[in-house]
Amino acid sequence: ETGVTQTPRHLVMGMTNKKSLKCEQHLGHNAMYWYKQSAKKPLELMFVYNFKEQTENNSVPSRFSPECPNSSHLFLHLHTLQPEDSALYLCASSQEPGIAGELFFGEGSRLTVL
Amino acid sequence: GQQVMQIPQYQHVQEGEDFTTYCNSSTTLSNIQWYKQRPGGHPVFLIQLVKSGEVKKQKRLTFQFGEAKKNSSLHITATQTTDVGTYFCAVSAGGTSYGKLTFGQGTILTVHP
Repeated sequence: ETGVTQTPRHLVMGMTNKKSLKCEQHLGHNAMYWYKQSAKKPLELMFVYNFKEQTENNSVPSRFSPECPNSSHLFLHLHTLQPEDSALYLCASSQEPGIAGELFFGEGSRLTVL
Repeated sequence: GQQVMQIPQYQHVQEGEDFTTYCNSSTTLSNIQWYKQRPGGHPVFLIQLVKSGEVKKQKRLTFQFGEAKKNSSLHITATQTTDVGTYFCAVSAGGTSYGKLTFGQGTILTVHP
């Protein structure tokens, strides 16, 4: 149990589907992140939220749409994805992004786009 | 943006042998973190180094931050099968970039019993 819960753990979707990934943290942190982990690539930062406000969009295509309704919840809405978007999507949280501190990762959502 | 190179990409060792992975940056770092990801798992924080020349130990693991704060190493003494996984360094340039960690490609460690 990491304190960061992601659902679903596995997701298979077609290119025309709309789906959402959910992340919830129980650590009282104020910053939340989405990372993408593809085979043979480093972890890629996608989005950063600080106190519910998006502070970083790392040139992510618009077919990925994040939502952060409060400091404990983070969503990643998926629409018209491509097969190359298949990857492990990791949510993480930290105390605050302005302070160098450890990231607590969830177990990830394994996405397959057909 | 911040770039970091991690070597080697793969390392196979016999149980009991030592292991070292290196992380190098072309720019000065404010801090560096190390994570471990077990096969099928998620990255788990190991340690953070902040000071120039800093050395920290966790049982069989020794972490070092270079004097110029541009490189770091993770050394495991007498590896065990439980050490299997991918080891990542993650760097932050500091200032307004705090929290924006850039991860190295990782070193995949295999330990043969």
